[in-house]
Amino acid sequence: GAVVSQHPSRVICKSGTSVKIECRSLDFQATTMFWYRQFPKKSLMLMATSNEGSKATYEQGVEKDKFLINHASLTLSTLTVTSAHPEDSSFYICSARGLLAEPDEQYFGPGTRLTVT
Amino acid sequence: GDSVTQMEGPVTLSEEACLTINCTYTATGYPSLFWYVQYPGEGLQLLLKATKADDKGSNKGFEATYRKETTSFHLEKGSVQVSDSAVYFCALSYNQGGKLIFGQGTELSVKP
Repeated sequence: GAVVSQHPSRVICKSGTSVKIECRSLDFQATTMFWYRQFPKKSLMLMATSNEGSKATYEQGVEKDKFLINHASLTLSTLTVTSAHPEDSSFYICSARGLLAEPDEQYFGPGTRLTVT
Repeated sequence: GDSVTQMEGPVTLSEEACLTINCTYTATGYPSLFWYVQYPGEGLQLLLKATKADDKGSNKGFEATYRKETTSFHLEKGSVQVSDSAVYFCALSYNQGGKLIFGQGTELSVKP
């Protein structure tokens, strides 16, 4: 099956700094990538949808200037948490979908645990 | 708005016990319904799906039936194994753009 990787798997950063999380589709071209956030005991919350070569579409309530998403190639999308604060600590998960995939064929990365101190 | 509600976990069962994880949804249209599974340290994987009312999705001994009248999509398995220990997510999608709406997840722990 299709493989999606995320890097890093865990990151600890200080409050006020920025951190970048990468999401890569390893064996297919991902025309669409999704970024989710998961709180403990909570569901995955979709943050934004990014299509290769165009601006990301953010869900209501998600600050686009704080969570910068770039999808510059068909195999890589990045999420940058700018000026991170402790409340940004969470588990961030990406998923990817190819051009010819069925609408429900999304492949998920293993997630990145962000801790802001 | 659309939403998905799952029974709270964790659910702890002995090997070979029967499993039911309840899932109900609220939707304005006619979504497709999914169960995803997340094994420890891995990404979510699609377990099964159903695209219309009365459809039954099945995979690896798990089943779920799309019940429009009760707006439910309960996950069932007749005999669980230790290897089924994971977090299970119910989700819906309108298949437009691939946007998924997830329930909060239910952790299943199967003891030998």
